[in-house]
Amino acid sequence: GENVEQHPSTLSVQEGDSAVIKCTYSDSASNYFPWYKQELGKRPQLIIDIRSNVGEKKDQRIAVTLNKTAKHFSLHITETQPEDSAVYFCAARTNAGKSTFGDGTTLTVKP
Amino acid sequence: DTEVTQTPKHLVMGMTNKKSLKCEQHMGHRAMYWYKQKAKKPPELMFVYSYEKLSINESVPSRFSPECPNSSLLNLHLHALQPEDSALYLCASSHSLGGETQYFGPGTRLLVL
Repeated sequence: GENVEQHPSTLSVQEGDSAVIKCTYSDSASNYFPWYKQELGKRPQLIIDIRSNVGEKKDQRIAVTLNKTAKHFSLHITETQPEDSAVYFCAARTNAGKSTFGDGTTLTVKP
Repeated sequence: DTEVTQTPKHLVMGMTNKKSLKCEQHMGHRAMYWYKQKAKKPPELMFVYSYEKLSINESVPSRFSPECPNSSLLNLHLHALQPEDSALYLCASSHSLGGETQYFGPGTRLLVL
């Protein structure tokens, strides 16, 4: 089955710095790669996603890149703010609707 | 309406009880999902329904029984659960399977005593 590895598990940055989280996946059938932000006690919230026919996508301070050949994708957050502090999950999904999540990255943005 | 709702928000049950979790969406989505999330862990897929038919069961124990009575509603029937089943149970929906945005409900926090 699919295996998604996510690094780092914790990340601490200074406000205004950039944060990068990386994921690798194993199943070539995965073709949709969402990123979720989850605050304590809340539901996962989609922040950005990318499909396998696209290499890069950007939405304001957030960007995602995908390298299909290497089977890895990354989340980039620029100009981080304290409210970006949360747990971030990457996921890989197949056309059958099967989603596998990475183990999560706890991001702390220090004011 | 772009929301997935779940009831109840919290549930405490004994190991001999039978209870049900309910999930509802009115976005016209035809794919619905159940996930289980333990503390400090990622969501784990349990079941996938597509057009009201079960399409994926991730080897979930039979004490969890899903049901999709119509395109807007998804239930998870619980019976003879174990304390290790205590977790946050998340429902999600998407327009269809595959590369479609999933919308998560707020979850039901379950405690099995």
